[in-house]
Amino acid sequence: EAQVTQNPRYLITVTGKKLTVTCSQNMNHEYMSWYRQDPGLGLRQIYYSMNVEVTDKGDVPEGYKVSRKEKRNFPLILESPSPNQTSLYFCASRGLGGRGNTIYFGEGSWLTVV
Amino acid sequence: GDSVTQMEGPVTLSEEAFLTINCTYTATGYPSLFWYVQYPGEGLQLLLKATKADDKGSNKGFEATYRKETTSFHLEKGSVQVSDSAVYFCAVYSGNTPLVFGKGTRLSVIA
Repeated sequence: EAQVTQNPRYLITVTGKKLTVTCSQNMNHEYMSWYRQDPGLGLRQIYYSMNVEVTDKGDVPEGYKVSRKEKRNFPLILESPSPNQTSLYFCASRGLGGRGNTIYFGEGSWLTVV
Repeated sequence: GDSVTQMEGPVTLSEEAFLTINCTYTATGYPSLFWYVQYPGEGLQLLLKATKADDKGSNKGFEATYRKETTSFHLEKGSVQVSDSAVYFCAVYSGNTPLVFGKGTRLSVIA
């Protein structure tokens, strides 16, 4: 079954404590990305990757890092989380080339920074 | 880059009412257009999509037509149900560009 898997699904952490949200897809997709969802702001892209070792900033990259060492994995790293990073995070993937390729989303990770 | 302007909500309708949620976009090249739905407490699900001008995407009674001349992709449903209560997102991408979302429209359907 085609899947994007994120972990953890729910996390409460304290300001400044480094954390990583993992994302893995089993569809051999080239493109992966991270979004955050906040009330009234919709979904905003944090970082994206077109392939292994290729990453680019999205609209709201400040305070986040990513890496793409393997095609299937695209972890999101918060080196020093702050309360304004409390949000719902989604990982997504899709194949490149062609038109209308379906974007697959993970189930979301609820992150609270206190 | 690509952008999406979506009708802001919230929208409250009675059961069996007609629904329209407006969506317009700006994009280069030949964009693909999507509607996603997010039910309370859940993730994002693809509702429908269209990949070229005049295509009509449809699913679960919802429809949207890719109108290149007006750069629009409005979502419609003839008769909404309580179970349609959710947040709806319009989205677009062109070629290998990132998927860009509108801000979402919250729909509440009351019995």
